[in-house]
Amino acid sequence: DAGVTQSPTHLIKTRGQQVTLRCSPKSGHDTVSWYQQALGQGPQFIFQYYEEEERQRGNFPDRFSGHQFPNYSSELNVNALLLGDSALYLCASSSIREQYFGPGTRLTVT
Amino acid sequence: DAKTTQPPSMDCAEGRAANLPCNHSTISGNEYVYWYRQIHSQGPQYIIHGLKNNETNEMASLIITEDRKSSTLILPHATLRDTAVYYCIVGYTGNQFYFGTGTSLTVIP
Repeated sequence: DAGVTQSPTHLIKTRGQQVTLRCSPKSGHDTVSWYQQALGQGPQFIFQYYEEEERQRGNFPDRFSGHQFPNYSSELNVNALLLGDSALYLCASSSIREQYFGPGTRLTVT
Repeated sequence: DAKTTQPPSMDCAEGRAANLPCNHSTISGNEYVYWYRQIHSQGPQYIIHGLKNNETNEMASLIITEDRKSSTLILPHATLRDTAVYYCIVGYTGNQFYFGTGTSLTVIP
């Protein structure tokens, strides 16, 4: 079992660009959540997808959007990148009681 | 805001038990207690979770008080590889997890 996988591992973008991050959940999990973790902080919830719908959303602007596919994998899209979007982006997949995190994608905005 | 309170840092001697406390006085009846740890720049690693009863797995033990307002994570024989930030979270997987600042555990040789 591969667990939760994320791609790419690292990414460097320029301010104003758009980025897409990808996540494959652990086998048997149907729910995907995305978190942003700035340096020295705990992860902050962005949103959660279940049955291809956004079920919950944290306090993030509309520049952050997502998608879940029929195979439960998910994408996080960020438009009009700001320097402050530089962070570790974490994907978590879950079933009814367990939640596992992926290794994260390190996004640097210059 | 995080629903838990943890000490910001702790030290533990290698080979000794590490006991990490967590207060969650506002926990509701259907919320679980989850523990994760994060080693620098890696994704949080699941350790253990529980609802009411004490739990044990190959990594750790979780002791939850009878009133469920606090818990303790026990690493029975700490090693240098256990040095990490430990997060205590209350909630359930159908809802967002609120991470606080966690406890930075340093295992000392």
